[in-house]
Amino acid sequence: DQQVKQNSPSLSVQEGRISILNCDYTNSMFDYFLWYKKYPAEGPTFLISISSIKDKNEDGRFTVFLNKSAKHLSLHIVPSQPGDSAVYFCAATNSGGSNYKLTFGKGTLLTVNP
Amino acid sequence: EAQVTQNPRYLITVTGKKLTVTCSQNMNHEYMSWYRQDPGLGLRQIYYSMNVEVTDKGDVPEGYKVSRKEKRNFPLILESPSPNQTSLYFCASSSWGLAGMTQYFGPGTRLLVL
Repeated sequence: DQQVKQNSPSLSVQEGRISILNCDYTNSMFDYFLWYKKYPAEGPTFLISISSIKDKNEDGRFTVFLNKSAKHLSLHIVPSQPGDSAVYFCAATNSGGSNYKLTFGKGTLLTVNP
Repeated sequence: EAQVTQNPRYLITVTGKKLTVTCSQNMNHEYMSWYRQDPGLGLRQIYYSMNVEVTDKGDVPEGYKVSRKEKRNFPLILESPSPNQTSLYFCASSSWGLAGMTQYFGPGTRLLVL
């Protein structure tokens, strides 16, 4: 059972436009969510996170929105740049759990065209 | 500089030949984990460790062993590798702080088992 789902395997946007990456989760125990970016031949790098006590967190061009009732979160990148082209992973965890285990989605390949 | 290092970065081996992938972190994190990344499956946790001498299974532990004799090191051991363990492996170390969870990933080890 996939607890974190990224239903779009890929997304293509034009430079300067908004990129919206979506993520759904099923486990109601998840209360902390993270987005990672991954370039080929590199490890995932942390982008932004959000706690379930918030519905929005912003960091520069990156904003994450959380809709707890819908168990849905999204990552907005504005404006998109060619260097943003990468695979983006959504991850979730239970902050009160006994470990720091992250459950990852399968990823979305973002391509930003010049 | 906060860092997670893995060695080797690339490895080709044959079925049944024991191998070890090393992982080291310089952030004094208590929590470390191993993931594997496979096409279409995202990142799946293999094993994790909450502290020295404390390890536990993740989602896909079969065929793997780990040890945590020192806080900074968390090697992944394949006692008898099989072709289905051909994958991209990532080590990670994590902590919780006032700013939330921080999880750093290593650069990855690409393993091919013939």
